[in-house]
Amino acid sequence: AQTVTQSQPEMSVQEAETVTLSCTYDTSENNYYLFWYKQPPSRQMILVIRQEAYKQQNATENRFSVNFQKAAKSFSLKISDSQLGDTAMYFCAFTGTYKYIFGTGTRLKVLA
Amino acid sequence: SQTIHQWPATLVQPVGSPLSLECTVEGTSNPNLYWYRQAAGRGLQLLFYSVGIGQISSEVPQNLSASRPQDRQFILSSKKLLLSDSGFYLCAMPQRGGASGELFFGEGSRLTVL
Repeated sequence: AQTVTQSQPEMSVQEAETVTLSCTYDTSENNYYLFWYKQPPSRQMILVIRQEAYKQQNATENRFSVNFQKAAKSFSLKISDSQLGDTAMYFCAFTGTYKYIFGTGTRLKVLA
Repeated sequence: SQTIHQWPATLVQPVGSPLSLECTVEGTSNPNLYWYRQAAGRGLQLLFYSVGIGQISSEVPQNLSASRPQDRQFILSSKKLLLSDSGFYLCAMPQRGGASGELFFGEGSRLTVL
């Protein structure tokens, strides 16, 4: 069965600092996609970053980057120069074919 | 552009009452559609997905059911609600309707069962 594990229920970081959120997954598929989603208090799900498993280069989007370790099945999210607006729940997600599997989330609080 | 509409936005129902949550999408045809539930401490739990009209795959055996009567309509139902059915229900579809793209989400339906 495909699973996604986020082992950090809550984290906090000082404004302007860097924080890394962890995610591991389990699958027997070779071609798949990984995502990080942000859910602010409004509850709207917002895509932060996406990684194709066949690409070795780690994806980056402005202050957000990932460390994708395919052999270790690890997909961590690094947020640089943290801003107050980054305060949200962050979900790691995986899809191989039809199903999109999400982790339990990490609640991130950015402190002023 | 692709959009997802969910209603009702908020619902308070007594235990044992029926449920119907509706999701309709625009801007694409024959999309894969998904129902997720977000309950405290459990993240986003995949409940059902559908790859076409009348095709439903269930991920969690429980008192909920789903139907897809039309290409762009996905309905979540229950005949008798349980307290444990409380949560935030999200309908989603992939970008361009197929697999592997990012998921777009509706604004959600918050269900409270009393």
